[in-house]
Amino acid sequence: KAGVTQTPRYLIKTRGQQVTLSCSPISGHRSVSWYQQTPGQGLQFLFEYFSETQRNKGNFPGRFSGRQFSNSRSEMNVSTLELGDSALYLCASSLEGDSRTDTQYFGPGTRLTVL
Amino acid sequence: AQSVTQLGSHVSVSEGALVLLRCNYSSSVPPYLFWYVQYPNQGLQLLLKYTSAATLVKGINGFEAEFKKSETSFHLTKPSAHMSDAAEYFCAVRGRGNQFYFGTGTSLTVIP
Repeated sequence: KAGVTQTPRYLIKTRGQQVTLSCSPISGHRSVSWYQQTPGQGLQFLFEYFSETQRNKGNFPGRFSGRQFSNSRSEMNVSTLELGDSALYLCASSLEGDSRTDTQYFGPGTRLTVL
Repeated sequence: AQSVTQLGSHVSVSEGALVLLRCNYSSSVPPYLFWYVQYPNQGLQLLLKYTSAATLVKGINGFEAEFKKSETSFHLTKPSAHMSDAAEYFCAVRGRGNQFYFGTGTSLTVIP
């Protein structure tokens, strides 16, 4: 089975722009979660999607949004980029996401640099 | 609320020596705990997970972890370090819904 894929792997944007990141989960996985990883804050949960609905959300401003398509692929959008948005954005997929023993499998991430 | 604390942001060991990476958890419910490894410029790879079936959990690459409820710990060990073990290691606890709470990570350096 193919793993979680994320595109693009690297992005460079300037302040004020917006960006869209894409994630394709493992085949059969219906839950997709997004995390932001920075040296200062570590791994922080952004949100989770299941069956095209946002099921859980972390403490990020409304500039961060996402969606999930019927094939479980997910996109994350960041509008009005700030310098502090520079980070590695990780996507993780799991089967259903509602079993407490469910495991999240991570993609390689998208490295976003905001200039 | 669930959280994990990793003691020691950097750990150095000699090749062939014991690896011990510490993780303590806080959870209001029976915890489900995970260890992930991250190599440079890559995503996180699951090493092992504790789901209450057995307190000693064996993972990939020779790693194992022991769940100790009395100490609220889930430390990661490997009897003999290899150069290829150099990476960042994250402990995580499964929280409400499908949200994972990660520790701040421990960077492992293996000295030849």
